[in-house]
Amino acid sequence: AQSVTQLDSHVSVSEGTPVLLRCNYSSSYSPSLFWYVQHPNKGLQLLLKYTSAATLVKGINGFEAEFKKSETSFHLTKPSAHMSDAAEYFCVVSDPGSGGYNKLIFGAGTRLAVHP
Amino acid sequence: ETGVTQSPTHLIKTRGQQVTLRCSSQSGHNTVSWYQQALGQGPQFIFQYYREEENGRGNFPPRFSGLQFPNYSSELNVNALELDDSALYLCASSPQGGGLTDTQYFGPGTRLTVL
Repeated sequence: AQSVTQLDSHVSVSEGTPVLLRCNYSSSYSPSLFWYVQHPNKGLQLLLKYTSAATLVKGINGFEAEFKKSETSFHLTKPSAHMSDAAEYFCVVSDPGSGGYNKLIFGAGTRLAVHP
Repeated sequence: ETGVTQSPTHLIKTRGQQVTLRCSSQSGHNTVSWYQQALGQGPQFIFQYYREEENGRGNFPPRFSGLQFPNYSSELNVNALELDDSALYLCASSPQGGGLTDTQYFGPGTRLTVL
């Protein structure tokens, strides 16, 4: 079965400093991995996805993630945090079902706080 | 291009009642998935509909049911509401069968409170 583990429930950074949100995955085959962001009282927005092409994936708003098979990791980074980055971030793996359907399995989330 | 929309935004019900939540898919998408997000947790998969048929279900009891219509809009119905059903319910649409690499596009959600 597929699963993801987000290693930090809360991360706090200062504006202008780098962001690192950590995610490890477990998968019996080559996974499809995603990072979604959820701002307060909003739905989920896709930041980026990995689908077995380039291991370094660039997303929106300056975020990127690197797929490392040897470490089973898919950490999310951004060189310089902005106040607007404060939100909940979810690492997600795609899990196929026996009926041909596809469900997303979410990590528990990492709350990112950005301080002035 | 219209995104995924959900209605209502908020809903308050009492235990034992029934509720219907609605979702309109993004244009061109024929697959809809529903997720439940309890406070402080990640979303949990409820079920998925493809071309008006349920083609996958998560670990939710039968009192959670759904429909998908010919225009690919969808409903989530919950009977005999329990206090633990209080959550944000998210609808997501994806293109053509919802393959492993397909992105699921989420609506803003419906916040259900059960008293």
